[in-house]
Amino acid sequence: QKEVEQNSGPLSVPEGAIASLNCTYSDRGSQSFFWYRQYSGKSPELIMSIYSNGDKEDGRFTAQLNKASQYVSLLIRDSQPSDSATYLCAVNQGGGADGLTFGKGTHLIIQP
Amino acid sequence: GAVVSQHPSRVICKSGTSVKIECRSLDFQATTMFWYRQFPKQSLMLMATSNEGSKATYEQGVEKDKFLINHASLTLSTLTVTSAHPEDSSFYICSASLLANEKLFFGSGTQLSVL
Repeated sequence: QKEVEQNSGPLSVPEGAIASLNCTYSDRGSQSFFWYRQYSGKSPELIMSIYSNGDKEDGRFTAQLNKASQYVSLLIRDSQPSDSATYLCAVNQGGGADGLTFGKGTHLIIQP
Repeated sequence: GAVVSQHPSRVICKSGTSVKIECRSLDFQATTMFWYRQFPKQSLMLMATSNEGSKATYEQGVEKDKFLINHASLTLSTLTVTSAHPEDSSFYICSASLLANEKLFFGSGTQLSVL
């Protein structure tokens, strides 16, 4: 059974600092990895996608993937209060149009 | 990015009634759409995979006779919750992808409350 694990938090970070969100997955065959942001009562919105080992940067966001350790992370630089949300890690084993497996999400709070 | 439209956004109904939720891909054709359910403070749980022109594939533990899925065209999938009960109250979200093994775009979700 595919599992995606995240620390539920809440993770509290001062405004302007770096927020670090972590995720581990159980399916070694996983090929696609995504980070979604979800505000309360809203549907998830895609923040980052990553497919190969290493770092991928997009603005204030950096996704990191280590397939050997089955670990993916999201760094948010210069955290803003508007970044306060639940961040969902999602994994797709690939090989077809398969639904994503989501972690329970980490609740991030950026303190002004 | 691609746009997925979902409605209604909120439904309040009496126990025993049926509720239909629509999901449309507005600017692309989606041969596959996915239906998720999310309870408060829980993760999204995949309910079923909706394939255009064929029967949906349901995840283990999801009753296919209770959650009817129809994917009659490349841009529309519907989820009907039949004989809804209070335990079916949840946030239902549809999604679609442009390509297999690619990122999902989500509809805005439907908050179902069954009294």
